[in-house]
Amino acid sequence: DTAVSQTPKYLVTQMGNDKSIKCEQNLGHDTMYWYKQDSKKFLKIMFSYNNKELIINETVPNRFSPKSPDKAHLNLHINSLELGDSAVYFCASSRRRQSEQYFGPGTRLTVT
Amino acid sequence: AQTVTQSQPEMSVQEAETVTLSCTYDTSESDYYLFWYKQPPSRQMILVIRQEAYKQQNATENRFSVNFQKAAKSFSLKISDSQLGDAAMYFCAYRSGYSGGSNYKLTFGKGTLLTVNP
Repeated sequence: DTAVSQTPKYLVTQMGNDKSIKCEQNLGHDTMYWYKQDSKKFLKIMFSYNNKELIINETVPNRFSPKSPDKAHLNLHINSLELGDSAVYFCASSRRRQSEQYFGPGTRLTVT
Repeated sequence: AQTVTQSQPEMSVQEAETVTLSCTYDTSESDYYLFWYKQPPSRQMILVIRQEAYKQQNATENRFSVNFQKAAKSFSLKISDSQLGDAAMYFCAYRSGYSGGSNYKLTFGKGTLLTVNP
């Protein structure tokens, strides 16, 4: 029944490691997003894909690389993790022509 | 660029009472959408209510309603008959109504933490 799912929900890792977060939606949406929520709860867009095409790429370090194998999946790979990458990462999805976005449960990333 | 401002970092309300959360936004666009999202301690982002800029009628979803003042660029959320389960961080968000790339992103305010007192 889960509409937008993310794995893992929690991720604790050391500086310098590489990690991935996966997102899947079963809503039939064609557009998916990654948002970052910082320690002050501020939410900001990072990336968006529409039908496997990158359509939003905000100012994000190139250590972050999104990949969309199909329109139901969007992954986020992070290289050489830094302390400042600690945050909650949310995946969301929508139909391109609709306004509402539906969010996954978030992945809390802690870099030590 | 569009900005969204929530001027109340924290609010509190007594159970069964009514509370209004404020949101203002800045845009030069005429076609856009506004949202309120709720984030309880579980961290899940839940869509509460949506308003299209071209609609004059204020949106309502059960106990939640908005006061949309387009000229003033104001979009407040009213919660009636507050319940303990309404306690959460509430985010106001803006999305352009135009097509193309970054227009699809949500721009969020910094949030208002609502406490409901029994």
